[in-house]
Order: sequence, then structure tokens, then C-alpha cells
Amino acid sequence: DIVMTQSPDSLAVSLGERATINCKSSQSVLYSSNNKNYLTWYQQKPGQPPKLLIYWASTRESGVPDRFSGSGSGTDFTLTISSLQAEDVAVYYCQQYYTTPYSFGQGTKLEIK
Amino acid sequence: EVQLVESGGDLVQPGGSLRLSCAASGFTFSYYGMSWVRQAPGKGLEWVANIKQDGSEKYYVDSVKGRFTISRDNAENSLYLQMNGLRAEDTAVYYCARRPSTFDIWGQGTMVTVSS
Repeated sequence: DIVMTQSPDSLAVSLGERATINCKSSQSVLYSSNNKNYLTWYQQKPGQPPKLLIYWASTRESGVPDRFSGSGSGTDFTLTISSLQAEDVAVYYCQQYYTTPYSFGQGTKLEIK
Repeated sequence: EVQLVESGGDLVQPGGSLRLSCAASGFTFSYYGMSWVRQAPGKGLEWVANIKQDGSEKYYVDSVKGRFTISRDNAENSLYLQMNGLRAEDTAVYYCARRPSTFDIWGQGTMVTVSS
């Protein structure tokens, strides 16, 4: 099974500053036949279901603000929020869909400093 | 509007059974793989099961194999999760999710509590 590990577990960033969340998979999630990384980022606010932000590691979902970006390949990935807004306070999860059992990172709680 | 609405969650005793339902609307249900994902109170997300568009292939996390069954009715635009032999550790909010590749649309979830 692929284990997903996020860092840090929690993060406090000032409004307007950059927030960076890392995600590492225990094995590569890059599918060589199509050169796609099967890695997703979700945002979850209290009492709400997760919301898809980024898929294929770096493709922003329609309607997601462009301050959110994803990068990385293979086993190491990053979610970056370029200028933190108050509404970005949430828990962020990475997830691999390369193979079942699909697995999520443990989550990173993002707060305002 | 694309929407998924779960129902069927309840308080059940250990060893009991429940059937969750997920009603889909706003898209062609039969075109998409579907999944169940759960979240225990205060915890992270855990994938539970996948089903292919035509129901021909199903996959489960090891902890529910032999106890849970995912199914769908494309004529009724509905997804189901039959849960038998429930345990305290199955207590969670259960979400259904549309899965073109990753999970792009999620329902609001239904709460399952397993307790005596």
C-alpha cells in the first residue's frame, strides 16, 4: 500500500504571505505511460465535505483561485498558496489515486498567524 | 446543478447492519465511477470502496472486505453501500464521491455511529 505523509501537521501564516504544504508518497505515483502524477489536493473546512483543488499534481480545478498551485513529481509534491486569504483557513489533504487502496495524507491544518 | 445526496446513516449496535444510499443528479450517472470515503470524528479521510461505471469491478479497503458491499443502480442514478458486521471503528461520516479519475464531486455525508 502507498503511504502518504504530509508536512507540517499544522501551519500558521500571516495574511498575504505564502503557505507551503508538502506531501510525500512511499512510492512513485507517476504513471509512465501517460506521464501523469496521480496526486490530488483537497481543502476541507469544518462541517463541510472536501473540495477538490488540484489534480494530476498541478492542474487547478475549475473555479479554484489561481493563488493555489501544485507542483512536484514522482514521490514529492507541494501545495502552495501564494497569498493567504482569511477564507483559506482549512485542513488540506493530499491523496494518491495511482492504485487502490487510494490513500490520503494525514492532513495539514492551516491557520492565520 | 451537479449534486450527490447521501442518506441512511444512523446509530446501530455492534454487529448490526445499515444500507447507505447516494442519490445523484445533474450529470449522467452511468458515465462515472463512484466511491465511498469516510471520516471518523476529528480524524482524516479514508477511502472505503470504488465501483466502476457499469458495476463490473469493485474494490475495497482491507478493513471492510467481506463486510461491506458497494453497488449501484444506473437506472435510478443511485449508489449504495451495504454495511454488515459493523464495528465501533466504522463510526464515521460516510461521503459518496464521483470519480472520473480522482474525487471531483462530494456529497455532504451521512453519519454512521456504531455503539451499544
